[in-house]
Amino acid sequence: GQNIDQPTEMTATEGAIVQINCTYQTSGFNGLFWYQQHAGEAPTFLSYNVLDGLEEKGRFSSFLSRSKGYSYLLLKELQMKDSASYLCAVRAYSGNTPLVFGKGTRLSVIA
Amino acid sequence: DGGITQSPKYLFRKEGQNVTLSCEQNLNHDAMYWYRQDPGQGLRLIYYSQIVNDFQKGDIAEGYSVSREKKESFPLTVTSAQKNPTAFYLCASSIVGSGIGELFFGEGSRLTVL
Repeated sequence: GQNIDQPTEMTATEGAIVQINCTYQTSGFNGLFWYQQHAGEAPTFLSYNVLDGLEEKGRFSSFLSRSKGYSYLLLKELQMKDSASYLCAVRAYSGNTPLVFGKGTRLSVIA
Repeated sequence: DGGITQSPKYLFRKEGQNVTLSCEQNLNHDAMYWYRQDPGQGLRLIYYSQIVNDFQKGDIAEGYSVSREKKESFPLTVTSAQKNPTAFYLCASSIVGSGIGELFFGEGSRLTVL
């Protein structure tokens, strides 16, 4: 089976840094994705990790440790518009097999 | 502009009726997917297709059907056999064979059964 765990909700202050964790237990591993989803809208792609280490893209960074089955998404200089759900997803097999999603973390940014 | 178009955005259905959700993409992607999203449940895979005239069941295919007669189109039918069809339905597509294969999503269709 496939299992992906994320915290359900988090709250952080505007201008601060927040780290959203994701742990996974899947039958295989061929990449981990982070998506952002505003309420009632489509998810949009944020980042991708397939090798261990940190990937940085502007205010967003994502880290992966394959041996620990662990990833995090780091958001810096939080803005009110960052209030959204953040979805962790794993591709368990090679090729274009579907992604398995966690339940998402709803982040609220407060003033 | 390239993208994925889902229609209708909102749909109301009476119990016992079948309904078809449309998904069209002009990204020239080979693979297409249908996910269902319920509050607190995350995205769950219904069906996917990696090539025209072929599709595979996902984790929650019961009560749903799909077709893939054209590369651009992947309609989803929610049948009366689906016991709890009220949900937000998301269609996605991805490239096959190059890149990282991230999913591109449509805007979603919200189905409510009355």
